[in-house]
Amino acid sequence: GAVVSQHPSWVICKSGTSVKIECRSLDFQATTMFWYRQFPKQSLMLMATSNEGSKATYEQGVEKDKFLINHASLTLSTLTVTSAHPEDSSFYICSARTGFGDATEAFFGQGTRLTVV
Amino acid sequence: GQNIDQPTEMTATEGAIVQINCTYQTSGFNGLFWYQQHAGEAPTFLSYNVLDGLEEKGRFSSFLSRSKGYSYLLLKELQMKDSASYLCAPMDSNYQLIWGAGTKLIIKP
Repeated sequence: GAVVSQHPSWVICKSGTSVKIECRSLDFQATTMFWYRQFPKQSLMLMATSNEGSKATYEQGVEKDKFLINHASLTLSTLTVTSAHPEDSSFYICSARTGFGDATEAFFGQGTRLTVV
Repeated sequence: GQNIDQPTEMTATEGAIVQINCTYQTSGFNGLFWYQQHAGEAPTFLSYNVLDGLEEKGRFSSFLSRSKGYSYLLLKELQMKDSASYLCAPMDSNYQLIWGAGTKLIIKP
């Protein structure tokens, strides 16, 4: 299957700082990328959907000024958590699909465990 | 609204068979995915059903009944490494995956 690489795998940062998470599709072009957040023992929660070259679509309740998403190319999307706080500590996962509007498989990155201290 | 219902936790014995059920309600339907997620890791793809019936893939099989809003994942010859959470994720009319909390499967020797 296709490979999605997410970096870093884990990060610890101080409260008030910003953290950038990268998501790359290594062997395919991802027209659509999704960013999820998962708290312990809870389901994946979709934060935003991004299409290459356009602004991300954020889910209700997700602050777009706090979680900056950039999808500048067909192989790279980034999520920046700005002015991080301890409540932002979570597991962040990206996924990518090759197509739009068809039921293609979603390939997931390895996830990033963010701890804000 | 959109809803996924799966058992929270199941326990099974190594070498046995287990069936994880999933009922769903979505706005439109474009197929259903099953994912496996080990603790602390991202989900990995197991199966995709869009038509009614059983799809078999090695030790794992997945069944779908669209009229009943029902799917199950069948795991045979259970191994200790199958201990994980199993996520049922239907795709709605906007081709968006709808996620439940998943079923935590515990395998005992």
